[in-house]
Amino acid sequence: GQQVMQIPQYQHVQEGEDFTTYCNSSTTLSNIQWYKQRPGGHPVFLIQLVKSGEVKKQKRLTFQFGEAKKNSSLHITATQTTDVGTYFCAGPDFNYGQNFVFGPGTRLSVLP
Amino acid sequence: NAGVTQTPKFQVLKTGQSMTLQCAQDMNHEYMSWYRQDPGMGLRLIHYSVGAGITDQGEVPNGYNVSRSTTEDFPLRLLSAAPSQTSVYFCASSPWTTTNTGELFFGEGSRLTVL
Repeated sequence: GQQVMQIPQYQHVQEGEDFTTYCNSSTTLSNIQWYKQRPGGHPVFLIQLVKSGEVKKQKRLTFQFGEAKKNSSLHITATQTTDVGTYFCAGPDFNYGQNFVFGPGTRLSVLP
Repeated sequence: NAGVTQTPKFQVLKTGQSMTLQCAQDMNHEYMSWYRQDPGMGLRLIHYSVGAGITDQGEVPNGYNVSRSTTEDFPLRLLSAAPSQTSVYFCASSPWTTTNTGELFFGEGSRLTVL
C-alpha cells in the first residue's frame, strides 16, 4: 500500500542551529501537508504545497515540494525552544483522496 | 470558536468493556475522521465519513464502530476493549470537497488505557 516515510525519526539540536526533516512518498502526490504536534498536544496544520517544485516560507520555516511531487522537506532556520515538537507530513490517499496518509513524524528537541 | 471537541480526554477501561469517544465539530465540515496515534507509528486512520449517513473504514478499523447521524457529531465506539487499543485517539474534520483537499482540524485527543 501507499507509504509515507520521514527521516530522521529524532533530531536533537542546540538552540540556534538549523533543522531539516525529509518526507518521501511511495506514490506521486497531488499535494502535501505539514503538521506540528507539540508534546502532549494535537497536530496543527502548518501548510499545504500543491505545485511541483513549490517553495513556501513561514518566518523561519521553509517548505519545499519536490519536482516529481514524491518528496518534501521542512527546514527551520535558527531553531528556538518553541520549535520543539513532532513534525508530520501527510499526503492524500492514492485511492481515497479525501483521506490523508501520515508519515511517522520527526521529533525535534531543542536544547537551550 | 470551539472547533473540534473530543470527550473524554482520559479514560481507563478493563478488557472487554465498551465505550464511546465523542467528537463534535461546529465548522459545518462534511468530512470527519478518527485516527489513533501510537509511538513511532504516526497517525493511522480508523474510520472516516464524508457526510451524514456515510461512513467507511480506514487503515485500522477492527474493533471500532462509527456512525454519522448529523454533520456535527462523529462518535467512535469500542465494542470490546483490548489492551492493543491503548492509544491516543484524535478526531479530525476538514472542509474537504471533491475538488479541494482541505486541511485537517484536530481535536485535543482522548488518551485511552485498556487494562
